[in-house]
Amino acid sequence: KAGVTQTPRYLIKTRGQQVTLSCSPISGHRSVSWYQQTPGQGLQFLFEYFSETQRNKGNFPGRFSGRQFSNSRSEMNVSTLELGDSALYLCASSFSDRDTEAFFGQGTRLTVV
Amino acid sequence: AQSVAQPEDQVNVAEGNPLTVKCTYSVSGNPYLFWYVQYPNRGLQFLLKYITGDNLVKGSYGFEAEFNKSQTSFHLKKPSALVSDSALYFCAVRDRNSGYSTLTFGKGTMLLVSP
Repeated sequence: KAGVTQTPRYLIKTRGQQVTLSCSPISGHRSVSWYQQTPGQGLQFLFEYFSETQRNKGNFPGRFSGRQFSNSRSEMNVSTLELGDSALYLCASSFSDRDTEAFFGQGTRLTVV
Repeated sequence: AQSVAQPEDQVNVAEGNPLTVKCTYSVSGNPYLFWYVQYPNRGLQFLLKYITGDNLVKGSYGFEAEFNKSQTSFHLKKPSALVSDSALYFCAVRDRNSGYSTLTFGKGTMLLVSP
């Protein structure tokens, strides 16, 4: 059974640009969450989606957005990139919104220069 | 609001010795508690969870954790450490009454096991 797949693994962007990250959950999983990991702030919650609906959102500016498609795949978008957006972005999937443990992908390392 | 505290940035232990990585939590409702491990340049790997029932939870790779409701703690333990256990460990909490799958993580504890 394939795990959570995140693409791309590495990304370098320039300040002011925008970026789209993709996450394919484990087959059959309908809940997808996104987290940002930085050395200073640790792991911070971005969004949670279930059946194409955003159920919860973390404390991030409106430049951060996301969506989930009917096949449960999810994308997150960051517009007008800032240096501080450099981070490891992790996607996690679970079977349902009531499931307990989440399974994480290997992440997308975004570097903003 | 929910929070997790991992008071130690780093834990050093010799191979073969027991290890403990500490975690305390705060949540308004009843908690689901988790431990995850992260190896360099990798995502988080699930180790174990506490949902209900026995306070001692056994997980992957010989790890276990003890839930203590009165002390709001969920310390990770292993009887005999291996060099390969060296990694970054995260404790996480989820409020089972919130209706969300959102996890709140601690800052992480780096475990270094020396040969």
